[in-house]
Amino acid sequence: QQQVKQSPQSLIVQKGGISIINCAYENTAFDYFPWYQQFPGKGPALLIAIRPDVSEKKEGRFTISFNKSAKQFSLHIMDSQPGDSATYFCAASIGAGNMLTFGGGTRLMVKP
Amino acid sequence: NAGVMQNPRHLVRRRGQEARLRCSPMKGHSHVYWYRQLPEEGLKFMVYLQKENIIDESGMPKERFSAEFPKEGPSILRIQQVVRGDSAAYFCASSPPLAGDHYNEQFFGPGTRLTVL
Repeated sequence: QQQVKQSPQSLIVQKGGISIINCAYENTAFDYFPWYQQFPGKGPALLIAIRPDVSEKKEGRFTISFNKSAKQFSLHIMDSQPGDSATYFCAASIGAGNMLTFGGGTRLMVKP
Repeated sequence: NAGVMQNPRHLVRRRGQEARLRCSPMKGHSHVYWYRQLPEEGLKFMVYLQKENIIDESGMPKERFSAEFPKEGPSILRIQQVVRGDSAAYFCASSPPLAGDHYNEQFFGPGTRLTVL
């Protein structure tokens, strides 16, 4: 199936802490897994993405961990900052140029 | 290098009117996607277009909705005879030619927020 399930729906983290958002998918044909960050009133911005041939990808404070056998992937935000407060969406797609299937989103609030 | 542009940013229509949403992809991008986001929900795919071609419209409602991406000019999402349930944010995304490291990277515009009274 095409579903991508995301949790938690909301998350509160203290400044400097680690934010962890999880996603699970059903369709084993998915082969591209991006994360998007969205601020209120703005469009989603591509944050980081991974393909299933690697188990982890890191860019700055953001890391994707990927578990192919469990069909799960997660976003870790290290040293979380108030400016990271936004809604985060995981997504997945099959093949090049095809539609993204999004998770339901996680509203992150980082308290100063 | 301008990003994906959408206009108008806000659109108010009365029930039964038509809504036209425009999207200009990033320079060099030839693939356009439309997504709809209902309040407090994730984005749902509607349609995928290339110049003068609809590639995948599996997410588009069968009635009242249409999309085009002409040889010249922006992509248009058209909603005829709008109803209150059409109120949502409509996002356009574009992606570069499908090769190399930019595998399926989709870049989103700021969206058009449609309100149906």
